[in-house]
Amino acid sequence: DQQVKQNSPSLSVQEGRISILNCDYTNSMFDYFLWYKKYPAEGPTFLISISSIKDKNEDGRFTVFLNKSAKHLSLHIVPSQPGDSAVYFCAASGGDYSGGGADGLTFGKGTHLIIQP
Amino acid sequence: DSGVTQTPKHLITATGQRVTLRCSPRSGDLSVYWYQQSLDQGLQFLIQYYNGEERAKGNILERFSAQQFPDLHSELNLSSLELGDSALYFCASSPTWAGIYEQYFGPGTRLTVT
Repeated sequence: DQQVKQNSPSLSVQEGRISILNCDYTNSMFDYFLWYKKYPAEGPTFLISISSIKDKNEDGRFTVFLNKSAKHLSLHIVPSQPGDSAVYFCAASGGDYSGGGADGLTFGKGTHLIIQP
Repeated sequence: DSGVTQTPKHLITATGQRVTLRCSPRSGDLSVYWYQQSLDQGLQFLIQYYNGEERAKGNILERFSAQQFPDLHSELNLSSLELGDSALYFCASSPTWAGIYEQYFGPGTRLTVT
């Protein structure tokens, strides 16, 4: 059973516009959430994170929103740039061993973001 | 560059064989994590070591084992390899075992089992 879900396998956005990537989770024990960006043939690169005690965290063009009651988080990228084209993974920390261990991350399957010129 | 190194970059081997993947964490990081990324399963947590000791286990098969050495580098051993073990294997490190800090990933080892 997937505990972290990214329901959009791909998303196409025009350069300069806002990109919104969504993530849902089912395990209420998750207490920390992270977004990673991945280019082909490279490892995931940490982008931004949020603790479950907050509902928003901002870092430059990247903002993560957390709605605990809906078990939903989103990553906003404003403005979107060509270099943002990559696969974005949502990840969560906490939960039981079947979900990834006390400290291992549970990942969604990723959303491929394509920024069009 | 995350500061996490992994060797080799690519590995091709036959079914039934055994391989060892190596990871060096970022300087100062005590925790090492191993993940497997396959086409259908996405990134899955396998195992974590903290300062030489096993800290947490995820979806790791019994045919797989790992260890972390006194210099903090880690090795993931995969034995009796099957076709389904073909995947990207990532190592990550973080400065604390608490898990609330970000993990920094290496470039991965692509394993192909033929």
